This record gives sequence, structure tokens and C-alpha cells, in this order.
Amino acid sequence: DAKTTQPTSMDCAEGRAANLPCNHSTISGNEYVYWYRQIHSQGPQYIIHGLKNNETNEMASLIITEDRKSSTLILPHATLRDTAVYYCIGVNYGGSQGNLIFGKGTKLSVKP
Amino acid sequence: DVKVTQSSRYLVKRTGEKVFLECVQDMDHENMFWYRQDPGLGLRLIYFSYDVKMKEKGDIPEGYSVSREKKERFSLILESASTNQTSMYLCASSPRRPTSYEQYFGPGTRLTVT
Repeated sequence: DAKTTQPTSMDCAEGRAANLPCNHSTISGNEYVYWYRQIHSQGPQYIIHGLKNNETNEMASLIITEDRKSSTLILPHATLRDTAVYYCIGVNYGGSQGNLIFGKGTKLSVKP
Repeated sequence: DVKVTQSSRYLVKRTGEKVFLECVQDMDHENMFWYRQDPGLGLRLIYFSYDVKMKEKGDIPEGYSVSREKKERFSLILESASTNQTSMYLCASSPRRPTSYEQYFGPGTRLTVT
């Protein structure tokens, strides 16, 4: 699975878009990019995943660069409840079944 | 909504005790997982299961065993608890889909071994 690199922490003003970057320069052609988040004292929560096309769901948008070496998770209108640690994970479906390897993630603080 | 529940939020046990952590999911998922989370080390996979009575070792199985007698229930057992097993334990489940590693996590059990 690809090694991912994320900034340690970021701040965002409430109501503004939060753009969380992730570098995955060693990603292989069949590896997906998954995003999870973990709010304090809770279990991780799935957000979104993608392979090469941009993806959007009710929680967020995922923009993957054309060379797939990096991606950005976008929370369009951040709220205080979006304060959490966000994890970017590279997943090879041909590898260990279902094993997600969480790194250190980005601690996002949404401020009023 | 998918629900994954864990038997306790907080647990305090003594060294040498046998500890059972139970996880139940209500979405008929085939896959279930046990992770532990420690500061600075992130989440690490202990065991996982693809089906009833099936289990696979994760990255750190030493000192743990698991049991899956029913599809909805996955138990983690610490045969003889030690202080280095003090941690947050997280259970997760996922459907067996070839194109998704979308896992649903429980709220976690914070175990302290004294």
C-alpha cells in the first residue's frame, strides 16, 4: 500500500471550505485513496474514496490529481463538528483483505 | 444506519486477568476487525475475520485471541492481561464487496490494566 504524507495540523474558519491535502507519490495504478476521520473519543468514520476520478458525496469531495500523486479532501462548509483528525489511506485491493493502515493524519481545527 | 456496538466504553482490569471485549454489528457484514489505538502509533490491526469461525492474524496478534461464533458478533480475548495492553480497542465491520474497504467502527473501549 502507498505511503501517504499529510500535514500534522490545519485550521479552518467555520463556514469556509476546508481543503486537506495528501501526498501519495508512490501510489500504484490499482490503489485507491480512502479518507476517514476520527472525532475525539469516537471511532473512525469513513468519508469517501476514489481511484482516479474526482468523487463527491454528502460529506465531502475528493480531488485526485491526474498523475495520482496527490489528492485533496474538501469539506465545502466546515462546521465546528468537523473538528477531527483526518486520515488519508492508500488501499490496494489485491493486498491484505480489508486491512486499513492509518497514519498520523491531519488534525483539523474548525474555529468560530 | 450501520451500528457497531462494543460491550464497554471503559474497563479497568488487573494484571493476569482474562478480559473479554465484545463487538456486535447489525448490518449482516461478513468482515469484522479488531484494532488497538495508541498515541503516536495510530491504529494497528490485531485480528480480523471474514466469516463465522474464521480468523486471520493482523499485525499485532501476540497476547490476543478472537472468537466468531455468530456472524454479528466478534470477541477479542486477552488471555492474561498485561499493563502494555492498556489501550483503546476499536472494533469495525465491513461488507464483502470487491470494490470497497469502507469500514464501520464502534465507539471504542478504553481498557486500563493495572
